[in-house]
Amino acid sequence: DTAVSQTPKYLVTQMGNDKSIKCEQNLGHDTMYWYKQDSKKFLKIMFSYNNKELIINETVPNRFSPKSPDKAHLNLHINSLELGDSAVYFCASSQARDAPEETQYFGPGTRLLVL
Amino acid sequence: AQTVTQSQPEMSVQEAETVTLSCTYDTSESNYYLFWYKQPPSRQMILVIRQEAYKQQNATENRFSVNFQKAAKSFSLKISDSQLGDTAMYFCAVNTNAGKSTFGDGTTLTVKP
Repeated sequence: DTAVSQTPKYLVTQMGNDKSIKCEQNLGHDTMYWYKQDSKKFLKIMFSYNNKELIINETVPNRFSPKSPDKAHLNLHINSLELGDSAVYFCASSQARDAPEETQYFGPGTRLLVL
Repeated sequence: AQTVTQSQPEMSVQEAETVTLSCTYDTSESNYYLFWYKQPPSRQMILVIRQEAYKQQNATENRFSVNFQKAAKSFSLKISDSQLGDTAMYFCAVNTNAGKSTFGDGTTLTVKP
């Protein structure tokens, strides 16, 4: 029944490590997103994919690399983790790209803590 | 560039009372939608209400309604008969045809018994 799922829910790791977060949606949506929510709860878009194609790439360090093997999955790989990467990362999806009326459906978030 | 401003970082309201959360935005697009999302302490973000920019009539969903002032680029959320379950962080967002969503910085609402 889960619409947008993310794994893992919690991730604690050392500085310098490489980690991945996975996202899957079973809504049949074409567009998926990654957001970062920092300690002040500010929500910023990082990436957006439409049908496996990257369409939005905000100013994000190139240590972050999204990968979309198919339109139902959007994974986020982070290289050389830094303390400032500690945040909650949300995956979301929406029906179509050029449809401003579309609601985004969010996953439960992955809380990343870099030590 | 698209911006969304929520000027109230925190608000509180007594149970059963009414509260209004403010939001102003700026976009150069002519076709856009405005959203209010709710993020309860359990963290998952869910839609509260949305408004099409072309519609003058304010959207309403049960106890939630908006006051959309297009000329002023204002989109406030009114919660009537506040309930304890309304305690959450509320985000205002604007979506445009370019497929871009911009979120405000959020307002933390606490409903007090």
